[in-house]
Amino acid sequence: AQKITQTQPGMFVQEKEAVTLDCTYDTSDPSYGLFWYKQPSSGEMIFLIYQGSYDQQNATEGRYSLNFQKARKSANLVISASQLGDSAMYFCAMREGMGGGYQKVTFGTGTKLQVIP
Amino acid sequence: NAGVTQTPKFRVLKTGQSMTLLCAQDMNHEYMYWYRQDPGMGLRLIHYSVGEGTTAKGEVPDGYNVSRLKKQNFLLGLESAAPSQTSVYFCASSYQQRNQPQHFGDGTRLSIL
Repeated sequence: AQKITQTQPGMFVQEKEAVTLDCTYDTSDPSYGLFWYKQPSSGEMIFLIYQGSYDQQNATEGRYSLNFQKARKSANLVISASQLGDSAMYFCAMREGMGGGYQKVTFGTGTKLQVIP
Repeated sequence: NAGVTQTPKFRVLKTGQSMTLLCAQDMNHEYMYWYRQDPGMGLRLIHYSVGEGTTAKGEVPDGYNVSRLKKQNFLLGLESAAPSQTSVYFCASSYQQRNQPQHFGDGTRLSIL
């Protein structure tokens, strides 16, 4: 079974509108972390936002927010007021314990977002 | 601030050649990782290290070796390059705490002919 599933290979959004990128995860570890990264066409990986499994509130960072639904094991990224510079690949990742102190990080296959002027 | 530095940025090899990718971080991170990124497959972990002198296999370790002789450096070696190893390679580092994100280098684009 996939640990991290991103079901939207590609999405379009109109500039200035909001968009939601889906991410579902699977883990038996009660203590885990969820991350979103952005990869522009230039190739670098940029950390956007973090949500811990015990966090009571959804994480927010500027125009980014994370819609965390623990019971459904989903951690969707919401980008408000889309900008042309938001066009990029977006990866969801999960950090979970593997025993012995090491936390394994698993990435989804990504969603390519294109913002239309 | 340097962060995570990978060298080289691009390389073309012939099948059977060997090479070493270098990764250096200046953030005193305990953990370091090597990933490969292929179209439609996200990032797949090759090897990782939880501290100086320790390494472990990830999900796609075959054909690669690693070493971490110093805390700040993590080396990825290809002993006998194969066309299937054509990929973009990313090094990352992080603190050991669960809420800490990984910091990535800019990647190495490697082509094996």
